[in-house]
Amino acid sequence: EPEVTQTPSHQVTQMGQEVILRCVPISNHLYFYWYRQILGQKVEFLVSFYNNEISEKSEIFDDQFSVERPDGSNFTLKIRSTKLEDSAMYFCASSQIQGSGNTIYFGEGSWLTVV
Amino acid sequence: GDSVTQMEGPVTLSEEAFLTINCTYTATGYPSLFWYVQYPGEGLQLLLKATKADDKGSNKGFEATYRKETTSFHLEKGSVQVSDSAVYFCALRDSWGKLQFGAGTQVVVTP
Repeated sequence: EPEVTQTPSHQVTQMGQEVILRCVPISNHLYFYWYRQILGQKVEFLVSFYNNEISEKSEIFDDQFSVERPDGSNFTLKIRSTKLEDSAMYFCASSQIQGSGNTIYFGEGSWLTVV
Repeated sequence: GDSVTQMEGPVTLSEEAFLTINCTYTATGYPSLFWYVQYPGEGLQLLLKATKADDKGSNKGFEATYRKETTSFHLEKGSVQVSDSAVYFCALRDSWGKLQFGAGTQVVVTP
């Protein structure tokens, strides 16, 4: 079964450093998402991306965050200058189309620890 | 805005017990409703979904019915196994496409 893959599975970084989390969505999917889950808290929406541009973003997704689809397969989340509170599990997800009934498929997550 | 509320865990059960995890939602439109499961060390997997009122989603012995009158989507399984130990997330997807998750309920099934 096709799946969303994410790398790295775990990254430790120093505060203030830039981090890039990578994702390969399912190949025929058109909508891409990043979510995050701070330890012990709920899964939160960060951003959605379609047709090479951001379609929606949350308040969390400030100027420190950016997303890019640099080629036909990868979808990346960049955090420009990490803060301690960015420590979380980051999930990439994709769906074929946007409608509410369509399933969003998630990767296994990238666990980011900022020290 | 849209939101999902689900019962707090952990829920601890013996094998073969009946499981219910309550989930209620608030939404302005007509969302679709989902249950995702996160097994230890793994990502979020779709367990089941329902796209309109009175739909019942089912998978792996789990069921949930979309109840518009009570704005609920409770998850049930008649006889749990140790392998069902996981965190279960109720979620709604609005017409704009993003998912809103509940806080998650940890289920621990003991032999």
